Amino acid sequence: EVQILETGGGLVKPGGSLRLSCATSGFNFNDYFMNWVRQAPGKGLEWVAQIRNKNYNYATYYAESLEGRVTISRDDSKSSVYLQVSSLRAEDTAIYYCTIYGYKHWGQGVMVTVSS
Amino acid sequence: DVVMTQTPVSLSVAIGQPASISCKSSQSLVGTSGKTYLNWLLQRPGQSPKRLIYLVSKLDSGIPDRFSGSGSETDFTLKISRVEADDLGVYYCLQGTHFPLTFGSGTKLEIK
Repeated sequence: EVQILETGGGLVKPGGSLRLSCATSGFNFNDYFMNWVRQAPGKGLEWVAQIRNKNYNYATYYAESLEGRVTISRDDSKSSVYLQVSSLRAEDTAIYYCTIYGYKHWGQGVMVTVSS
Repeated sequence: DVVMTQTPVSLSVAIGQPASISCKSSQSLVGTSGKTYLNWLLQRPGQSPKRLIYLVSKLDSGIPDRFSGSGSETDFTLKISRVEADDLGVYYCLQGTHFPLTFGSGTKLEIK
């Protein structure tokens, strides 16, 4: 059974940084691209970032609205993917979901609140 | 960016009646592989999104065949042949062909 668990969310002050983690199991992590998607309160879904696998040189892609402030990374030995977000703004307040390429499997999400 | 225009914004349907949601993309979603990476997701209240359909019309395992997807190039439709109570939530289309990946704005399905 595929399992995805995001951690690392919380309350952060504007201008602060946060590192989200996504631990996975139940599939061959090394074979898959991984994504982060976020959802602001009461709003729709917004793709944030993708990281490809070793075969694709771990290429990364980012939403333009966040580029320069986010870094996606992965540790294949831990079947985990990470999202580092810096210079946080109120509009970054959202649930951040980790999802496997293909978008069939999603984690339960982790809440990030940016507020003073 | 590819804009995904999803309609209607909301839908109120009686149990047993059909429902249809449209998703139009601002450019063709046919990829270089010849495949069309158009997905339909359902987000029930308080839950994570769940994929229902991928590659325009392929039903995910465990999804009832009351759901169907169709379309090509820039014009796609999700149909529910007979709505059930469990179908309520927000439906999103998602294109995975072009970066950045983009979602439709969502269609809220309510049970009348």
